[in-house]
Amino acid sequence: QLVLTQSPSASASLGASVKLTCTLSSEHISYAIAWHQQQPEKGPRYLMKLDSDGSHNKGDGIPDRFSGSSSGAERYLTISSLQSEDEADYYCQTWGIGNWVFGGGTKLTVL
Amino acid sequence: EVQLVESGGGSVQPGGSLRLSCAASGFTFSGYNMNWVRQAPGKGLEWVSYISSGSSIKYYADSVRGRFTISRDNAENSLYLQMNSLRDEDTAVYYCARGDTAVTAWGQGTLVTVSS
Repeated sequence: QLVLTQSPSASASLGASVKLTCTLSSEHISYAIAWHQQQPEKGPRYLMKLDSDGSHNKGDGIPDRFSGSSSGAERYLTISSLQSEDEADYYCQTWGIGNWVFGGGTKLTVL
Repeated sequence: EVQLVESGGGSVQPGGSLRLSCAASGFTFSGYNMNWVRQAPGKGLEWVSYISSGSSIKYYADSVRGRFTISRDNAENSLYLQMNSLRDEDTAVYYCARGDTAVTAWGQGTLVTVSS
């Protein structure tokens, strides 16, 4: 079964960096994913598509502070120079035949 | 600018029906596969349904199969979701989402509340 696992919460200080993790189920470690950001009381926003080799394509207007990387079943979203507006829920998403799957989301708190 | 604007949400009793619409602009709607994704209050994102660009392929989540129907009108740049036999657990914000693999654009959502 295609499953994405995310830690429920993360925190980091203003101006620092944070690395969020999304883990694919063991039979699906070659899958690409997408990262999405959802600020409080807003709809989600597409950040990037991230392949298993770490290559990624960002959405329009996404700052250079957002980057992605991969290792095995892990897919990472790194946010550098954290700003207050980065406080949000972050979801990873992937796709199989006939279905999409979302991770449970990570709530990022900027201290 | 890519825009997806949902409408049609509201309050309905269990067993009732609603039809959601999504108006697309800023891109060639007929060239993209589209989806509906929902988010229950305080919960994460849940994929609901997919439709291919020409409407030939449709997929549904197990939770809505047989009750919801996705459709589109490429001439009107619009996506639809007909929701029948609504249940309490269908209460959510419903988002229109563009893409066949990664979601690359989202609407702002429309709230559906199912309650007696």
